[in-house]
Amino acid sequence: ETGVTQTPRHLVMGMTNKKSLKCEQHLGHNAMYWYKQSAKKPLELMFVYNFKEQTENNSVPSRFSPECPNSSHLFLHLHTLQPEDSALYLCASSEGLNEQFFGPGTRLTVL
Amino acid sequence: DQQVKQNSPSLSVQEGRISILNCDYTNSMFDYFLWYKKYPAEGPTFLISISSIKDKNEDGRFTVFLNKSAKHLSLHIVPSQPGDSAVYFCAASTQGYQKVTFGIGTKLQVIP
Repeated sequence: ETGVTQTPRHLVMGMTNKKSLKCEQHLGHNAMYWYKQSAKKPLELMFVYNFKEQTENNSVPSRFSPECPNSSHLFLHLHTLQPEDSALYLCASSEGLNEQFFGPGTRLTVL
Repeated sequence: DQQVKQNSPSLSVQEGRISILNCDYTNSMFDYFLWYKKYPAEGPTFLISISSIKDKNEDGRFTVFLNKSAKHLSLHIVPSQPGDSAVYFCAASTQGYQKVTFGIGTKLQVIP
């Protein structure tokens, strides 16, 4: 695997379900990010991790819970989501402040 | 309140001609600007960037121009190729910070 990978690519879940999105970067970067892209809206930064430590939480509701066990892996745990949380969730990584490399995204649908 | 605005949702250009994608920003603290390209079912990929100390940066067929007084930047693609058909995102940040603000994107179609 190369670059940034995300699994699953598509996810449908009910409002009472608990699911997790996974991101892995194979670039040796030290920073990882979660973004949300809703229909007809710009990409919105959700979380930033540097060297496994969360350094940015962009006022994200607690039903989204990130986890970064090491510099290569990033998870987004989802629970009791709302239909308006349906969106494309993108993971990215970077070497410090340099340009970010994105994964292909997970298309999430909340029923 | 969008701080980075791409007012043209789509653009069609003939192959071989110039494509010009525009972007405006409102936050005067932004001093680093980027363009990303996105194909369907893929994540955005970095294309080109420019620092506010410059007014032009060129990389092959891609040139970004920055007009700080107008808070405007543009991406020129010359000559345009069908493989350039994608959604182009303008983005801005303040150097030293990892928070990047994206525009909503412009869908470019290059017609063979």
